[in-house]
Formats: sequence, C-alpha cells, structure tokens
Amino acid sequence: GAGVSQSPSNKVTEKGKDVELRCDPISGHTALYWYRQSLGQGLEFLIYFQGNSAPDKSGLPSDRFSAERTGGSVSTLTIQRTQQEDSAVYLCASSLELYGGGYSNQPQHFGDGTRLSIL
Amino acid sequence: GDSVTQMEGPVTLSEEAFLTINCTYTATGYPSLFWYVQYPGEGLQLLLKATKADDKGSNKGFEATYRKETTSFHLEKGSVQVSDSAVYFCASGAGSYQLTFGKGTKLSVIP
Repeated sequence: GAGVSQSPSNKVTEKGKDVELRCDPISGHTALYWYRQSLGQGLEFLIYFQGNSAPDKSGLPSDRFSAERTGGSVSTLTIQRTQQEDSAVYLCASSLELYGGGYSNQPQHFGDGTRLSIL
Repeated sequence: GDSVTQMEGPVTLSEEAFLTINCTYTATGYPSLFWYVQYPGEGLQLLLKATKADDKGSNKGFEATYRKETTSFHLEKGSVQVSDSAVYFCASGAGSYQLTFGKGTKLSVIP
C-alpha cells in the first residue's frame, strides 16, 4: 500500500517568508510525528499527534513553528518568518495505535522528507 | 533523559567485509530498540527491531541483539554489499510515543 507522502519534496524560499509543509500518513495510522534533520545533527523530534491532538509540543524550536492535523489524517507544519537556521530536511512519520501503558513502541514509517532551504 | 550513542562515521568498507556499528542506550525501563536505514535521497526505513532483552532482530542479512546487561544493540552484517551504502540510525523507544535517535553512521561500501 501507499507509504507516508510528504510535499513538497523541495522548497526554496526567502528569509522572512512563511512556509507550509504537508504530510499524508499511511491510512489507518493514528499517530503522526514530525522530525527535523539538520546536516550532521541527526533527527530532532518536533511534535507528535495522536488523532488530531498534539499532547506534546515541547520539541517545537520556537513559536514560529506550529502544526495541525485534521480528520485524523493529513498534517501541516507551518514555519512563520523563516530564518536561515530553519534550513533542514523535515521528516514526517506515522504509526499504528500505541499500546496503552506498555513499553513497546510501534515502528514509525517515514516519508521521504521535505528539503527546506532558506536563502 | 533518554539517549542513544552510536559510533561516529563515516565507515568505509570493501565489498564482502564484516560490518559492526556500535549502539548503546540509556533509558528508564525497558525500551524497544530499532535500527533505521536512510538511503541517499530517501526517508528512513525500519531495518530491524527488538522489543525485549536477548531478542535478536534480523533483516536483509543484518542482525542486532538486545543486550540489557551492556545496554547495547550493535548492528552486524557478515558480508556487506555496495547496495548497503547508506546512513544507519539506532533508536530507542521507552513506552512513550517519542523515539530517541542516535546521530547516524554513514556507511560507504566500495567494490
């Protein structure tokens, strides 16, 4: 079946502009995650959705970053007034329902990412 | 907090060489452990996983054993191929939604 789909695959924009990144998760996956991958920095967790709600927004680097999810499906990550340090690959992942109270995690399935370049 | 440490790269090997990429973790409780692989220009793909101590995850000739006593999950492959060239990420998940990733190890296999 279809995997996690992200768009655009590449985005180049000028400093100060707003950008919207889109993620379409695997059908039936209730959990959705956003990560940022900067050169040489590994993966940085940004935010997580269970259904339409985001229990933990602590990974968002500043108040210029926001995310929403509607209908338990598509999510958008918005960056306002972009800065050059926002340049990175933004990865989205989705997974099945988590087991309540357990110590196991369902594997996360990743999209190919959006490469964001701020000029 | 939780953390994952994996060996620094890059690693360059000749085809058919033996591969080991070390990974150790710190976490409360008993996390699930994962290896993800990222081929050039692509997103991360789950390579293998283990959910409890002494479990061995395996896939595509790669193996990793969950060692609680040494808090390790080293990735091994007996004979690497050029097509294995990629970045490999070790990750732990301790019962919550958030995976903690290592910084990644870039592997280059030369013919």
